[in-house]
Amino acid sequence: AQKVTQAQTEISVVEKEDVTLDCVYETRDTTYYLFWYKQPPSGELVFLIRRNSFDEQNEISGRYSWNFQKSTSSFNFTITASQVVDSAVYFCALSEAGGNNRLAFGKGNQVVVIP
Amino acid sequence: DVKVTQSSRYLVKRTGEKVFLECVQDMDHENMFWYRQDPGLGLRLIYFSYDVKMKEKGDIPEGYSVSREKKERFSLILESASTNQTSMYLCASRSGTGPYNEQFFGPGTRLTVL
Repeated sequence: AQKVTQAQTEISVVEKEDVTLDCVYETRDTTYYLFWYKQPPSGELVFLIRRNSFDEQNEISGRYSWNFQKSTSSFNFTITASQVVDSAVYFCALSEAGGNNRLAFGKGNQVVVIP
Repeated sequence: DVKVTQSSRYLVKRTGEKVFLECVQDMDHENMFWYRQDPGLGLRLIYFSYDVKMKEKGDIPEGYSVSREKKERFSLILESASTNQTSMYLCASRSGTGPYNEQFFGPGTRLTVL
């Protein structure tokens, strides 16, 4: 069964610091998809990025960047120069191509950016 | 933009009541999902539906049922609410059956059962 581990539960940083969220996954499938979602205090999860298992290119979008390493089964997320608006819960999730189309979520990282 | 709406943001019910949580999406998505979110446990799948009148149990279906009579609407039913069903309930929808498609979430319903 697919599994996603986000070890850090709550992370506090001072504004403008960088923060990295770790995501480690387990799957037996060779084809799978990894996602990151952001849940701000309003409650609605917002999709940030998707990566398929054949695309190990890292990605940068503004202050957000993602590092996908199949060798260590990790898909880490870094926020550079954090801002108060980045305060949210961030979820890593995994979907297997050969599975039941479910999305398995990690338990989430609560990020608190202190002004 | 995809929009997923949920009937209530906050709901307070009494033990034993029958509770309906409604979810509507406006993008003609085939798949719809119900999750509950609890501190320290992340999101757990209750039920999902591939299409109208189709449903499958998720990881924690006990105490819940669902209904999908129309493509745009997916209802979660608590037959007899209990205090351990106090939680945040999130609905999501997704285009097609591909695992590569992202899910779009509603704002959530925070249910308190007294």
